[in-house]
Amino acid sequence: DAGVIQSPRHEVTEMGQEVTLRCKPISGHDYLFWYRQTMMRGLELLIYFNNNVPIDDSGMPEDRFSAKMPNASFSTLKIQPSEPRDSAVYFCASSSDTRSGNTIYFGEGSWLTVV
Amino acid sequence: LAKTTQPISMDSYEGQEVNITCSHNNIATNDYITWYQQFPSQGPRFIIQGYKTKVTNEVASLFIPADRKSSTLSLPRVSLSDTAVYYCLVGDKRYSTLTFGKGTMLLVSP
Repeated sequence: DAGVIQSPRHEVTEMGQEVTLRCKPISGHDYLFWYRQTMMRGLELLIYFNNNVPIDDSGMPEDRFSAKMPNASFSTLKIQPSEPRDSAVYFCASSSDTRSGNTIYFGEGSWLTVV
Repeated sequence: LAKTTQPISMDSYEGQEVNITCSHNNIATNDYITWYQQFPSQGPRFIIQGYKTKVTNEVASLFIPADRKSSTLSLPRVSLSDTAVYYCLVGDKRYSTLTFGKGTMLLVSP
């Protein structure tokens, strides 16, 4: 299995620009998560989907952030307009709904720098 | 919401056994305890998961006392490559309860 695939791996953009991060979850997983990691705040859950439906978006910082999952194999996290404080590593992760708990598989992350 | 507390950092030497303890005083009946490892520039990686007593796999052991208010991740004979941040998570299948916290930064020296 290829694991969770994220793109781009690195992005540098100017303040005010739109940023779109992409994710392909592990095939067969019906949960998808978007996390953000910074030195100050650690690893934060932004939003998660179950069967392509957003379940909890309480971690989304503000209206500039939006996430979609049009099908089981693709999700996007969009920031519009971007700001320097959005600079962080954004992780996508996926999981299957099993009775044995909740193992989450992470991608390699998208490193975003907003200047 | 089961909050976890773990040491900010730990130091060890190659070949030693490392035990990282996590406190989760208000763990719920349905909660599992899961540990993740994160290397620099990578996403967290699942290490081990348990509900009670002891769980062992090829990487680590997880000890959970009867009251389940704490758990200990045991790494046998660590090597330099075990230098990473280790996160303890407590939660059930309601994923909104899963928070990673700051983790424990383990530094293994020669």
